Amino acid sequence: EDQVTQSPEALRLQEGESSSLNCSYTVSGLRGLFWYRQDPGKGPEFLFTLYSAGEEKEKERLKATLTKKESFLHITAPKPEDSATYLCAVTHSGYSTLTFGKGTMLLVSP
Amino acid sequence: NAGVTQTPKFQVLKTGQSMTLQCAQDMNHEYMSWYRQDPGMGLRLIHYSVGAGITDQGEVPNGYNVSRSTTEDFPLRLLSAAPSQTSVYFCASSYSGAGQETQYFGPGTRLLVL
Repeated sequence: EDQVTQSPEALRLQEGESSSLNCSYTVSGLRGLFWYRQDPGKGPEFLFTLYSAGEEKEKERLKATLTKKESFLHITAPKPEDSATYLCAVTHSGYSTLTFGKGTMLLVSP
Repeated sequence: NAGVTQTPKFQVLKTGQSMTLQCAQDMNHEYMSWYRQDPGMGLRLIHYSVGAGITDQGEVPNGYNVSRSTTEDFPLRLLSAAPSQTSVYFCASSYSGAGQETQYFGPGTRLLVL
């Protein structure tokens, strides 16, 4: 059974204080690992897809990395507008049935 | 493109009532799916469809019914609502359903069952 565990559940940072969010996964035949951002009252917004161990992707202050067991979302010099819940999800061999973690709620204080 | 749209945004039902949550996409995506999101549980797959006329069950299908008569629309039906179905419902779509494709989500429908 696929499992996705995100840590920490919640993270509070000061503006400019860099940190990382973790997503560990257990899945047979990983096809893709997805990071989404979700703002309160809205649907998940796509950030990154990673396909194989060693892959990295960047977007503004965010950088996602992937190993064979986990993925990290690094946030460099965060701003208050980065406050959101960050969701990690995986797909395995077959169709695009996403298995989600429970998310990390990030709060960046000015 | 409007992307993935969902209606209504918010709905209150009484136990036993029925309703249909609407989902539409204008991206010509073959794959569509429904998730529910509950506090502490994350997003869980209810039903999905890989094309018109084809549907299948996800992790939590009980109490929900779906059909897919067109590529654009994928409605979710609650036949007899229960308080346990109080949740936020999200519809998502992707081009063909291959496991490496990005899925795009709608804004959600918030359902309260009394």
